[in-house]
Amino acid sequence: NAGVTQTPKFRVLKTGQSMTLLCAQDMNHEYMYWYRQDPGMGLRLIHYSVGEGTTAKGEVPDGYNVSRLKKQNFLLGLESAAPSQTSVYFCASSFSPQTGGERDEQFFGPGTRLTVL
Amino acid sequence: QQPVQSPQAVILREGEDAVINCSSSKALYSVHWYRQKHGEAPVFLMILLKGGEQKGHEKISASFNEKKQQSSLYLTASQLSYSGTYFCGTEDDSSNTGKLIFGQGTTLQVKP
Repeated sequence: NAGVTQTPKFRVLKTGQSMTLLCAQDMNHEYMYWYRQDPGMGLRLIHYSVGEGTTAKGEVPDGYNVSRLKKQNFLLGLESAAPSQTSVYFCASSFSPQTGGERDEQFFGPGTRLTVL
Repeated sequence: QQPVQSPQAVILREGEDAVINCSSSKALYSVHWYRQKHGEAPVFLMILLKGGEQKGHEKISASFNEKKQQSSLYLTASQLSYSGTYFCGTEDDSSNTGKLIFGQGTTLQVKP
């Protein structure tokens, strides 16, 4: 099992450019999350999904969009990148109905380090 | 609303104990604890659920005071490998999504 993978690992964008971050999990998890982590701020939830075809806003959703067309994938999009979006982005997943409960641990991907110039 | 962790930073010698606290102003259903080493992803340590259930590693202990909406993580006989940043994540009572709000983190440094 690969667990949670994120693509790409690093990216540099210019202000106004767009990009999509891909998160994939092979644990048959229902729930998936996107966080951003800035120094001294901890992990802040951007968007999350409780199942294929569903998405919801987290704490800091502005400037981001998400899609979950397939259960195993959760995409995070930046339509027009801004320097304030320079951060490390983590994807996480949890809850397999077959093996666990809804309040299960979250498994994190390795992160994507994004710099917007 | 973000839970508040204290202290912000701790420096220990190997073998010493530490307690990290997490406090929320909202009614909680669960509290999660994660540890993150520099440049790596957060790793799960423990979940404490309303009603007393706990899931986690045997060598880690924690408590959850439901009346005060507070949780504490107890690190005993610390080892060098305990160094890192500890985060609590809280799930409020109304959520059924596993959605967590994380605290700002507590940095723990264990010295030889």
